[in-house]
Amino acid sequence: AQTVTQSQPEMSVQEAETVTLSCTYDTSENNYYLFWYKQPPSRQMILVIRQEAYKQQNATENRFSVNFQKAAKSFSLKISDSQLGDTAMYFCAFMIMSKLTFGTGTRLQVTL
Amino acid sequence: KAGVTQTPRYLIKTRGQQVTLSCSPISGHRSVSWYQQTPGQGLQFLFEYFSETQRNKGNFPGRFSGRQFSNSRSEMNVSTLELGDSALYLCASSHSLGETYEQYFGPGTRLTVT
Repeated sequence: AQTVTQSQPEMSVQEAETVTLSCTYDTSENNYYLFWYKQPPSRQMILVIRQEAYKQQNATENRFSVNFQKAAKSFSLKISDSQLGDTAMYFCAFMIMSKLTFGTGTRLQVTL
Repeated sequence: KAGVTQTPRYLIKTRGQQVTLSCSPISGHRSVSWYQQTPGQGLQFLFEYFSETQRNKGNFPGRFSGRQFSNSRSEMNVSTLELGDSALYLCASSHSLGETYEQYFGPGTRLTVT
């Protein structure tokens, strides 16, 4: 079975601080892609960052970066300099053959 | 470039009725995927269409069906609606070619079945 586990249902971080959201997954496939999506209260699903499983280098997008550990099947998201606009539900997902499998999400609250 | 659009945004139906949801992908994208989001089951993959062909299918009953047109627009249909079909239905589009595989989501259609 292919599964994604996000063990932190809720997290809170102060503005300008750094926070790391954890994600582990399980698949027997070797070729896949990993993603983090955010879903703010508007419910619009927004792509945050992507990672190709065959690439060892960790992806970075501005304040967002990942720590990808393929052997451990771990894919955590680090948000630096947190902003109020980062408040959202964050979903980890992997994709095989155009099918996304999502975790249950981590609700992140950024406070003043 | 315009994003993924979904119509209608909100819908209320009665048990036993059927419903059709529409999705227009980003211009140039040929792949359209559908997902169901509920508080209990989370985000679940329904199916994916590429060049008018269903390429992948999730674990949903046959009451859920879809199609894609030559302009890449897609529709999904749910027949004989049940209360449990109440959900946010999300459509996502992708180039699905080479390195451009990431999926971009529309705003969703909120379906309420009473």
